[in-house]
Amino acid sequence: NAGVMQNPRHLVRRRGQEARLRCSPMKGHSHVYWYRQLPEEGLKFMVYLQKENIIDESGMPKERFSAEFPKEGPSILRIQQVVRGDSAAYFCASSPWTGDTEAFFGQGTRLTVV
Amino acid sequence: AQKITQTQPGMFVQEKEAVTLDCTYDTSDPSYGLFWYKQPSSGEMIFLIYQGSYDQQNATEGRYSLNFQKARKSANLVISASQLGDSAMYFCAMREGDGNKLVFGAGTILRVKS
Repeated sequence: NAGVMQNPRHLVRRRGQEARLRCSPMKGHSHVYWYRQLPEEGLKFMVYLQKENIIDESGMPKERFSAEFPKEGPSILRIQQVVRGDSAAYFCASSPWTGDTEAFFGQGTRLTVV
Repeated sequence: AQKITQTQPGMFVQEKEAVTLDCTYDTSDPSYGLFWYKQPSSGEMIFLIYQGSYDQQNATEGRYSLNFQKARKSANLVISASQLGDSAMYFCAMREGDGNKLVFGAGTILRVKS
């Protein structure tokens, strides 16, 4: 059973470009969470999705950021018009149900904006 | 107020000795879960141990144990017989009630000396 798969592992974008980060949850997991880790900091919750639904987006910046988890395919975190401050590690986690005793994390995507 | 507080930015421990990493939390919800994750220099998030607020006994997983003191709202991680491979960043995290998002502390860097 493959773990949570994120790609790409590393992504470099110029200011103003778009960044697309992908997350395939573990098989059988229908809950996906995105977190952001700025340098030298802990992870901060961004958004929680179930298939085709955004359940909690309280941690998402109001502009330029969006997330989806379609019926088929991976979850996508999209950042439009990236700025230097978007440089961070973005982690995806998945779980099979709510209130799980373990959230399985992917290896993260390290976004660098130049 | 901070939900999760890790007061030790960095810790050193001699190989083969035990070390305690501190974590205090703040919540008014009677139902919550506490997690510890390890983040080595390679960047992935590795789940170590989980403690539920209603669990009667302290959680243990191999060399990891959680010293759960509910009245003090502390959930310290104890690593016994430290190994060089334990050198990493360690994060304490909490999930409240039926919620799904994790709130992370700022982390503690542990260095194991030979």
